[in-house]
Amino acid sequence: GQNIDQPTEMTATEGAIVQINCTYQTSGFNGLFWYQQHAGEAPTFLSYNVLDGLEEKGRFSSFLSRSKGYSYLLLKELQMKDSASYLCAVRDSEGDDKIIFGKGTRLHILP
Amino acid sequence: DSGVTQTPKHLITATGQRVTLRCSPRSGDLSVYWYQQSLDQGLQFLIQYYNGEERAKGNILERFSAQQFPDLHSELNLSSLELGDSALYFCASSVEDTQETQYFGPGTRLLVL
Repeated sequence: GQNIDQPTEMTATEGAIVQINCTYQTSGFNGLFWYQQHAGEAPTFLSYNVLDGLEEKGRFSSFLSRSKGYSYLLLKELQMKDSASYLCAVRDSEGDDKIIFGKGTRLHILP
Repeated sequence: DSGVTQTPKHLITATGQRVTLRCSPRSGDLSVYWYQQSLDQGLQFLIQYYNGEERAKGNILERFSAQQFPDLHSELNLSSLELGDSALYFCASSVEDTQETQYFGPGTRLLVL
């Protein structure tokens, strides 16, 4: 079956580093997305990984290991505005190339 | 502002009715995605079009249909509406059809009474 798992909630402190993990089981794989979504707003695209390794974009980095069905999103120098939900999603190449979402991780930043 | 526009912003209708949601992608973007977000289901991918052709299909109900027109705007048609169709419907666009950055519109909030 198809399954995307990520923690429901996490808490971190302003200025710190947090890692949000995502594990997936899909029939096929054609890329993994991370999105940020503030309450009541539209999602914002953060990253797309299709090859193994680490992709860095400013304070945010995303890592993928296809053999382990694992990804993480790393947020550095946390700011209060990083309080949001973070969604992991996988494009399933065996399933009409559809995009399957995890339930999201709600990140709380404490001052 | 992402550059993606969606109309209407809010829509209230009754069960059994049909509605059309409209999306205009960013200038130059060829791909349009539709998503549904409800409180209990989270974000669900519905369908993707690329340059007028259906590119990928998610868990889109048979009562729902979409199309992308020659000017690249897209419409999502929802028919025989049920209470459970109440949700936020997002449209996103990207330049190409796969790994490009997706830009989301502000969404259409649909309430079925």
